[in-house]
Amino acid sequence: GAGVSQSPSNKVTEKGKDVELRCDPISGHTALYWYRQSLGQGLEFLIYFQGNSAPDKSGLPSDRFSAERTGGSVSTLTIQRTQQEDSAVYLCASSLTLAGGQTQYFGPGTRLLVL
Amino acid sequence: EDQVTQSPEALRLQEGESSSLNCSYTVSGLRGLFWYRQDPGKGPEFLFTLYSAGEEKEKERLKATLTKKESFLHITAPKPEDSATYLCAVRANTGNQFYFGTGTSLTVIP
Repeated sequence: GAGVSQSPSNKVTEKGKDVELRCDPISGHTALYWYRQSLGQGLEFLIYFQGNSAPDKSGLPSDRFSAERTGGSVSTLTIQRTQQEDSAVYLCASSLTLAGGQTQYFGPGTRLLVL
Repeated sequence: EDQVTQSPEALRLQEGESSSLNCSYTVSGLRGLFWYRQDPGKGPEFLFTLYSAGEEKEKERLKATLTKKESFLHITAPKPEDSATYLCAVRANTGNQFYFGTGTSLTVIP
């Protein structure tokens, strides 16, 4: 079966522009996570969605970051007024549920470079 | 504060030279500990989940073990294709976040 897919795979943008990153989770997975991975850093939790429940946005670094999940499937992470420090790999993961111990399966990531 | 520390940061092995990677964690009640492999330019690939102290899991040349404070990923007779970054993550009983370490970069030299 298909895994988690993300698009675009690479994105180069200019400082101050808005970007949208897309994630298609594994079919049937109700939980979806966004992470940011900077060079030499561990994965930084950003946000997660579970079914129709309100998302946990506690990891979003600023109000320039937002995310949506439509129809319990595809998710979009939006970064407004991008800054150079936003340059990183943005990873999406999904799991069957949010119940304890459920394994996350990751997409290939979107490499964002802000010039 | 929940956190995960991995050591060493980098490890170079000769092909066939066995070794272990360490993941130390502090968490208010462990719900699960996860090992992932990440190749350059790719997303993390799931390897193992461990739930309780004393548990062990194996896959080919890899074996993961868990104690109350740390986990080890043992690599037996590694091959060059085992070269990758190995990530450890934990999930606590409280909250729903997964906490990741910064990884161990493994290079296996032919």
